[in-house]
Amino acid sequence: AQSVAQPEDQVNVAEGNPLTVKCTYSVSGNPYLFWYVQYPNRGLQFLLKYITGDNLVKGSYGFEAEFNKSQTSFHLKKPSALVSDSALYFCAPRGTSGSARQLTFGSGTQLTVLP
Amino acid sequence: GAVVSQHPSRVICKSGTSVKIECRSLDFQATTMFWYRQFPKQSLMLMATSNEGSKATYEQGVEKDKFLINHASLTLSTLTVTSAHPEDSSFYICSARTWRGGNEQFFGPGTRLTVL
Repeated sequence: AQSVAQPEDQVNVAEGNPLTVKCTYSVSGNPYLFWYVQYPNRGLQFLLKYITGDNLVKGSYGFEAEFNKSQTSFHLKKPSALVSDSALYFCAPRGTSGSARQLTFGSGTQLTVLP
Repeated sequence: GAVVSQHPSRVICKSGTSVKIECRSLDFQATTMFWYRQFPKQSLMLMATSNEGSKATYEQGVEKDKFLINHASLTLSTLTVTSAHPEDSSFYICSARTWRGGNEQFFGPGTRLTVL
C-alpha cells in the first residue's frame, strides 16, 4: 500500500520569504510524485511532477520540488512567496503498476502568505 | 489542453431526491475517470474509478447503490447521488486520466452539493 504524509496542517510565511511545504511518501518501486494546489471552492490545479531524471523539478508559478530518494521526501519550495500563493497544497504519490497507479493524496497543507 | 469540466458547479436539493453530476474531458479522451469527495479543509477521498464501457470500481465503504457512476464514453462520466441525505453534502471532484503523457490526471473544478 502507498501512503503520504504532510506533517504540517498550516504553514505561514511572510511575503518575499522562501517557503517550504513538506511531504514524505511510501510507494513500492519507483514513484511518480505530484504536487497540486487548490484555491477555495475550486478543483485541483497541477503544479509539478517528478517522474524520472533530475531530482529538482520546476513547475508552475515559480514552484519547485526536490525528490530525495533516501529520505523518501518530495518537499515543495518557492524562493520568494507571494500573497497569491495562499492556498491548500496537496502532495500525491502514485505507483506505476496495477491498483497503485492511482494517486494517493496527502492531508493537505494550508499555506498562508502574509503581506 | 487537458481540460476537465463539471456540471453543475453548485447544486442544492431536497432530501430524498437524486442529483446527477457530469464530468467531461473537453479536449482529450479519458481512459479512466475518478470521482473524489472532499469535506471542508480535508483531503480528497477517492470514491470510485471507472473505465469507459465497464462497471466502476468502488472504494471500500462507498455505497455503489447510492453513488451511481456511469462512464458512457471516453469523454463523459456521470455521478448520480440517489436519495440524497444531508450527510451527502460535500464537494465532489472528478478527474480524468489519459494514456498519453505519463498517465497524468486532470481535475475538474468540482461540484458543491448541498442537501437540505
